[in-house]
Order: sequence, then structure tokens, then C-alpha cells
Amino acid sequence: DQQVKQNSPSLSVQEGRISILNCDYTNSMFDYFLWYKKYPAEGPTFLISISSIKDKNEDGRFTVFLNKSAKHLSLHIVPSQPGDSAVYFCAASVKTSYDKVIFGPGTSLSVIP
Amino acid sequence: KAGVTQTPRYLIKTRGQQVTLSCSPISGHRSVSWYQQTPGQGLQFLFEYFSETQRNKGNFPGRFSGRQFSNSRSEMNVSTLELGDSALYLCASSLVGQGAYGYTFGSGTRLTVV
Repeated sequence: DQQVKQNSPSLSVQEGRISILNCDYTNSMFDYFLWYKKYPAEGPTFLISISSIKDKNEDGRFTVFLNKSAKHLSLHIVPSQPGDSAVYFCAASVKTSYDKVIFGPGTSLSVIP
Repeated sequence: KAGVTQTPRYLIKTRGQQVTLSCSPISGHRSVSWYQQTPGQGLQFLFEYFSETQRNKGNFPGRFSGRQFSNSRSEMNVSTLELGDSALYLCASSLVGQGAYGYTFGSGTRLTVV
């Protein structure tokens, strides 16, 4: 039973264009959402997060949108750069259990120069 | 400051053997979580330790166990290895109650079971 889903295993985007990575969740108790980025042979690194009380959070080229009614979030990267090529994991947690974070299966993003 | 250190980086074991993986968290981080990463499954939560106590556990069989020492270092053990246990095992440390905000991951231990 996968509580956090990323239905696109891979995505290819031209350099300079927008990358949109999607994530769906099933547990309505989740109230904090995160995106992590992972390069090969390295551990994931935190990218951006959003609390359930917001519907948008921006950090430079990265913006996360949350649609609670649809239980959907998305990560927008504008403009995409070749260095953004990595696996992106969506993750979620419940406020009462901050130290149990559930990750999705990941989306491999390739940014083509 | 030093990051999260996982040892060894690579390991090859035979079916039926057991293995112990080690994780040294960032200084001051008292919570250590373990994840298994396999292709298509993403990061599957194994367990989380704080102050030498397991606080959260994922849906893995009892062959997977762990512990945490008084200096916050953690080990995980897998007994009676199966081919399907081949994966990247990641450890993440965080401050108390801030796993969602401040996970720092190690580079992982790549376990291959043959």
C-alpha cells in the first residue's frame, strides 16, 4: 500500500524549459510535504518543503504547489538546467510523527542541453 | 561539520548470511532513521531510533533489526539474507522531532546478495 505515489518514473526536459514533477498521496493525515533530490552514489538531499496550511512555496527556481482536496503536489523547476538531472523523491509526514517520513518511488529527471 | 557516515560503502554477501551496517549521525543529532532503496520502490522506511529506543517501524520482516548506542550511532542487522535484500541502505539523522525538516542522509551502503 503505497501512501505516496509518483506515477512518472522518468521525465525528459530541454534545458531552459519548465520541469513539472507530480506526486499524489492517499493518507489525509499527512500535513507536511518535502522534495528530495538524489544523484547517483550519493544520499538524497533536501530540496524544498511545504506545510499543509499553504498551497505554494517558492525557493529560487523551485516551486512546490499543494492541492489538498486532490491530495496532489507538484514541483516546478524553472528554468531547468543540466545539473538538475537527478532522481526526485516526494515525501510526506504527519505532524505527530515527524520522524517517520514516507517517500514516493521517485522520478528520474533528465535535462537535455 | 561532519556529515552522516555509513560504513561500509559496498558489501557482497551470500544468501543465508547475516550482515551489519553502521551509521554515525551528525554530531548533536539524536534521531537516526534507516531506509531501503530499490528500483521502482523508492525509499522504504525501515525504522527510526531515538535515545537508544525504536520509536517507529516500517513494514519489514523481523529479519531486519537495528539498535542505537548511547553516542547515537546506529547499526542495522539483516539476518538470513535473501536475494531480494539487495539494495541501497540509507541512514538519515535529524534533530529530535524534526525529521521532516532536517533529514541529512548518508551516502548509503550498497548491499548485494548473491
